[in-house]
Amino acid sequence: QSALTQPASVSGSPGQSITISCTGTSSDVGRYNYVSWYQQHPGKAPKLMIYDVSNRPSGVSNRFSASKSGNTASLTISGLQAEDEADYYCCSYTSSSTRVFGGGTKLTVL
Amino acid sequence: EVSLVESGGGLVQPGGSLRLSCAASGFTFRSHLMSWVRQAPGKGLEWVANIKEDGGGELYVDSVKGRFTIARDNAKNSLFLQMNSLRAEDTGVYYCSRGIYSISSVGYDLWGQGTAVTVSS
Repeated sequence: QSALTQPASVSGSPGQSITISCTGTSSDVGRYNYVSWYQQHPGKAPKLMIYDVSNRPSGVSNRFSASKSGNTASLTISGLQAEDEADYYCCSYTSSSTRVFGGGTKLTVL
Repeated sequence: EVSLVESGGGLVQPGGSLRLSCAASGFTFRSHLMSWVRQAPGKGLEWVANIKEDGGGELYVDSVKGRFTIARDNAKNSLFLQMNSLRAEDTGVYYCSRGIYSISSVGYDLWGQGTAVTVSS
């Protein structure tokens, strides 16, 4: 049950696009199309942004998109806005039916 | 209003016990898988435990197996986490979270505000 690997930090300027990677193994990310992404602002509860690799819940901006290739999933945020500055976590279903989160990525909007 | 409200956190000595509760409202609680996710101070999210809609299928992260027990009362729209033999590394905010209502989707679409647990002498 090792955590998925995410970059500790990414940054971008308003209007730009950024991508956050999430690397797992053939027992989690690579095996199932059950990767989800969460946004967490300081002191707040996480918010679901993407589920099942690339599906957006209603109410989530279409500036958020995601995909997966092999053992690595990716979250892309286009048209960066100040309010996108937050921590982002990926999460995957595993072969043990458990879940595993990534270590988190701090997004800074310059 | 759809919500999850956790309670029961606090300060406990190493080796002690706590029981966390999560009160659900505004949705059909018995139709959703439920989970506990924790976050140590300044650290990332860690999945702790899952329980299926009918109260079965409990799963745990290795570090809490044998010490924590997840349970639910669908009649009272409540989720619980019994935490025994607590350790300093169990310190953090514990979130109650709701699984997406779908047999073919995985993710947590509703979260509580969290309850803080501090294990310290």
